[in-house]
Amino acid sequence: EAGVAQSPRYKIIEKRQSVAFWCNPISGHATLYWYQQILGQGPKLLIQFQNNGVVDDSQLPKDRFSAERLKGVDSTLKIQPAKLEDSAVYLCASSALRQSHYGYTFGSGTRLTVV
Amino acid sequence: KNQVEQSPQSLIILEGKNCTLQCNYTVSPFSNLRWYKQDTGRGPVSLTIMTFSENTKSNGRYTATLDADTKQSSLHITASQLSDSASYICVVSGSSGGGADGLTFGKGTHLIIQP
Repeated sequence: EAGVAQSPRYKIIEKRQSVAFWCNPISGHATLYWYQQILGQGPKLLIQFQNNGVVDDSQLPKDRFSAERLKGVDSTLKIQPAKLEDSAVYLCASSALRQSHYGYTFGSGTRLTVV
Repeated sequence: KNQVEQSPQSLIILEGKNCTLQCNYTVSPFSNLRWYKQDTGRGPVSLTIMTFSENTKSNGRYTATLDADTKQSSLHITASQLSDSASYICVVSGSSGGGADGLTFGKGTHLIIQP
């Protein structure tokens, strides 16, 4: 079974530039999560999708971050404009069932460095 | 407030030695507890998942224990190898606790294996 795919693996941008990350969840997984993980900390949930609808985006900095999951499969996370403090690993995860987290799996992440 | 506390924050041991990592949680109600291994710059990979009724689970040289009464878990690594160098994250799933994803993440223990 293919895992959660993310790209790119690494990205270096200057502050105030824009960047986008892509995630392809495990086939059939209805729930998709985006996390931000700052060095030395645990992942922080940014946004959760159930199919193509947003379940929760309360911790998403909406003035600069946006995410979409068209057709309920792939998802993109965008930052515009980026700040130095956005440097982190951005993780995507998916699960088959929201409540039981059946099959909950992380992708390899995208490491973003803002300079 | 739901919390997951891990100790120690970091640990250095010699190759071949054993070690034990600790996780204390206050998540309620409790659904399951997971240990993840996260290599630098990569996504977390699941090691073990334990429900309320399970008090021990092994995955190769990794053995996790759970005491649901005291809300404590440990991860024991036997005969450590250089490839065990990573962060180990404890994650507790609660049906109504944590973030919208129902998960509360610890900050992880950074383990370094020295030759």
